[in-house]
Amino acid sequence: HVQLEESGPGLVKPSETLSLTCNVSGTYISRYYWSWIRQPAGKGLEWIGRIDGYDNTNYNPSLRGRVSLSLDASKSQFSLKLRSVTAADTAIYYCARDGPSGTSAWFDPWGQGTLVTVSS
Amino acid sequence: EIVLTQSPGTLSLSAGERATLSCRASQSIRSNNIAWYQHKPGQHPILLIYGASSRATGIPDRFSGSGSGTDFSLTISRLETEDVAVYYCQQYGGSPWTFGQGTKVEVK
Repeated sequence: HVQLEESGPGLVKPSETLSLTCNVSGTYISRYYWSWIRQPAGKGLEWIGRIDGYDNTNYNPSLRGRVSLSLDASKSQFSLKLRSVTAADTAIYYCARDGPSGTSAWFDPWGQGTLVTVSS
Repeated sequence: EIVLTQSPGTLSLSAGERATLSCRASQSIRSNNIAWYQHKPGQHPILLIYGASSRATGIPDRFSGSGSGTDFSLTISRLETEDVAVYYCQQYGGSPWTFGQGTKVEVK
């Protein structure tokens, strides 16, 4: 039974860096791609990027190079850093399992999500 | 970037009726790599369908997916009150993975 849980600060100041971690249990983290997805209030879902156990990454170009992902297999967790945040980055952030390394796939399962608010 | 357009924006039907949700892609989706999710308020999205027509584990058989190329649909054969949610399609045929804007399903 695969489970994911997001953690990190719920409040970030404008221009600073948003940092979140997703803890994975019930599977070998190195075998898959792992994604971050966000949803601003009242809006739809936006894929942020993904990383696998070999540090292969794909990012959404819409985030204009502000995002970086990392993975620590020894801790069974992966992390998101989003630099130079603005109010537009306020959203619920979800982590989710993507496809096996070397493939693309659907997102299943998802973490419960964590609300991050950008405000001074 | 592949743009997914979902219609209608809101679907309001009675319990027991058939709901058909549409997802149209701006270009052909490789290998029909389309997924559908159910998203209820305050919860995380749940995978319903992958590969355009394969039902995810534990999903009731009243949910079905179909389509190919640029046109895909999700059908709920007999709507139940617990199906009230926003439904999203998502493509994973080409990076960046993208979602449709969602269809809100209401039960009268």
